[in-house]
Amino acid sequence: GNSVTQMEGPVTLSEEAFLTINCTYTATGYPSLFWYVQYPGEGLQLLLKATKADDKGSNKGFEATYRKETTSFHLEKGSVQVSDSAVYFCARQGTGGFKTIFGAGTRLFVKA
Amino acid sequence: GAGVSQSPSNKVTEKGKDVELRCDPISGHTALYWYRQRLGQGLEFLIYFQGNSAPDKSGLPSDRFSAERTGESVSTLTIQRTQQEDSAVYLCASGMGLGTGELFFGEGSRLTVL
Repeated sequence: GNSVTQMEGPVTLSEEAFLTINCTYTATGYPSLFWYVQYPGEGLQLLLKATKADDKGSNKGFEATYRKETTSFHLEKGSVQVSDSAVYFCARQGTGGFKTIFGAGTRLFVKA
Repeated sequence: GAGVSQSPSNKVTEKGKDVELRCDPISGHTALYWYRQRLGQGLEFLIYFQGNSAPDKSGLPSDRFSAERTGESVSTLTIQRTQQEDSAVYLCASGMGLGTGELFFGEGSRLTVL
């Protein structure tokens, strides 16, 4: 099928810790992949994307690499801050370019 | 406008009433999507529009749900005879359509059915 699976939360880290949020997808072909972030009280916004295999998306210190061999797009950040506390959604472009499909979201809490 | 605008931001209604939720997409965006987000859960796809046609309505939960879009502009999501399980945040997003997949979201309409 066509789906996105990401690690369950919540994830709780101390400030300056290393973050990994796992995401795997199923798809025919090579869809564009995305991470969206939803800060408390705000709407979802695009964090980063990768449009083809081996691409690395990056933004605000976050990175994710499109791995077609493992059908994964794990989100990483070397040193998290309290302000990174949010819900992170992995997503893939739908078949034919439409209907972006989202994972269930992973809530991140960062403690000072 | 500059971003995706949704109204109302909050709606409290009684079970059995009809509600209409409105979405104003970013000007020039041909694709428009509705998602539902229940408390603490992920995004559930409802429907998308390309222009004013809806190629995929597969996510609409029941025939109480309908949506329309006029041209490449405003969309309305209507829920008839609301039930308590309809309580959620309804998110609208717009995009450039075929090819990019990147979506721009509104802040959502929070619906509470008593």
